[in-house]
Amino acid sequence: AQTVTQSQPEMSVQEAETVTLSCTYDTSESDYYLFWYKQPPSRQMILVIRQEAYKQQNATENRFSVNFQKAAKSFSLKISDSQLGDAAMYFCAQGEKTSYDKVIFGPGTSLSVIP
Amino acid sequence: SQTIHQWPATLVQPVGSPLSLECTVEGTSNPNLYWYRQAAGRGLQLLFYSVGIGQISSEVPQNLSASRPQDRQFILSSKKLLLSDSGFYLCAWRGDSLFYGYTFGSGTRLTVV
Repeated sequence: AQTVTQSQPEMSVQEAETVTLSCTYDTSESDYYLFWYKQPPSRQMILVIRQEAYKQQNATENRFSVNFQKAAKSFSLKISDSQLGDAAMYFCAQGEKTSYDKVIFGPGTSLSVIP
Repeated sequence: SQTIHQWPATLVQPVGSPLSLECTVEGTSNPNLYWYRQAAGRGLQLLFYSVGIGQISSEVPQNLSASRPQDRQFILSSKKLLLSDSGFYLCAWRGDSLFYGYTFGSGTRLTVV
């Protein structure tokens, strides 16, 4: 069964500093996707970054990057040069490539940015 | 362009009353559709998913049901609401490929009183 764990319920970071959010997952599949979603106070879910499991190179999107360790089933998100607009709930998610393409989400990490 | 609509945005319903939340997608055909619930301060729990008209799969047995009467319409229902049904309900659509992740609707905040 798919499971996603985020061990940090809350995190805080000083503006302009770097923060890393942790995520571990479990799956029996070898081909899958991993995602980080952001949910600001508006509660709209926004895709931040994705990683394909068969790609060893870590994904990067501007100030957001991941550290993907497939053997350890770890997928952390690094936010560089943190901005006030980064304050939000961050959800790690894992999706298996099947006809259903179900995506399972972790419990989330609430990130605060201190000015 | 492809968009997803979800309504109503907010709903307050008494215990024992029925529920109907609607989600529609525009600009695509035969999409995979999903219903999630987010309890206060918690993650997203997958409730139902559908890969086509009339095809519904349930993840968690509970007081809710789902239907897909049309290709781009996904409905979440209950005959009698419980207090525990309160939460934030999100409809999601998978794009052309899971590579693009899900696109989410704006959500419905349901309060059962």
